[in-house]
Amino acid sequence: DAGVIQSPRHEVTEMGQEVTLRCKPISGHDYLFWYRQTMMRGLELLIYFNNNVPIDDSGMPEDRFSAKMPNASFSTLKIQPSEPRDSAVYFCASSLSPLLAKNIQYFGAGTRLSVL
Amino acid sequence: GQNIDQPTEMTATEGAIVQINCTYQTSGFNGLFWYQQHAGEAPTFLSYNVLDGLEEKGRFSSFLSRSKGYSYLLLKELQMKDSASYLCAVRDQITGGGNKLTFGTGTQLKVEL
Repeated sequence: DAGVIQSPRHEVTEMGQEVTLRCKPISGHDYLFWYRQTMMRGLELLIYFNNNVPIDDSGMPEDRFSAKMPNASFSTLKIQPSEPRDSAVYFCASSLSPLLAKNIQYFGAGTRLSVL
Repeated sequence: GQNIDQPTEMTATEGAIVQINCTYQTSGFNGLFWYQQHAGEAPTFLSYNVLDGLEEKGRFSSFLSRSKGYSYLLLKELQMKDSASYLCAVRDQITGGGNKLTFGTGTQLKVEL
């Protein structure tokens, strides 16, 4: 399997622009997670989906952030408008059900976002 | 909610043994994970504990005490490539489709000659 695939790997944009990050989970995984990582706050969960339905979006910082999962093989995280404080590495991860033994989250390579 | 504490950084010598501790206070618990993250890369899974005791996997072992809210990751025969950040993560209750991991801020391990 190719693993979790994220695009783009790097994004540089100007304040106020819309940013869309993309993720393809591992085939057969029914959970998808979006995380943000910064030096100050570490790795934070933003939102996660189960069978394409958002389960917990309590980590989404504000209304400028939105996430969708239109089908089992694709998800987007959108920031509109972007601000310099959104600069971070955004990771997508996927997993099987936690009811299965050793449920493990597998991470994509991440998108490094810089908002100027 | 979850509160997870681990040391910010540690230094050890190649060939030695190092223990990285993690303590947690949680409102729910369904497993503790350790991940390794090299600089500029994604976290990768190392180990998982849901019951008390020691899980061994080659040079890496992880221990859990649920009553004490405590875990440690033990790395033996350290190699230079083990220099990385080690993240402790606790999973919340899994009822109702829950599958949430809360990560600690990570322990940066530096292995020296």
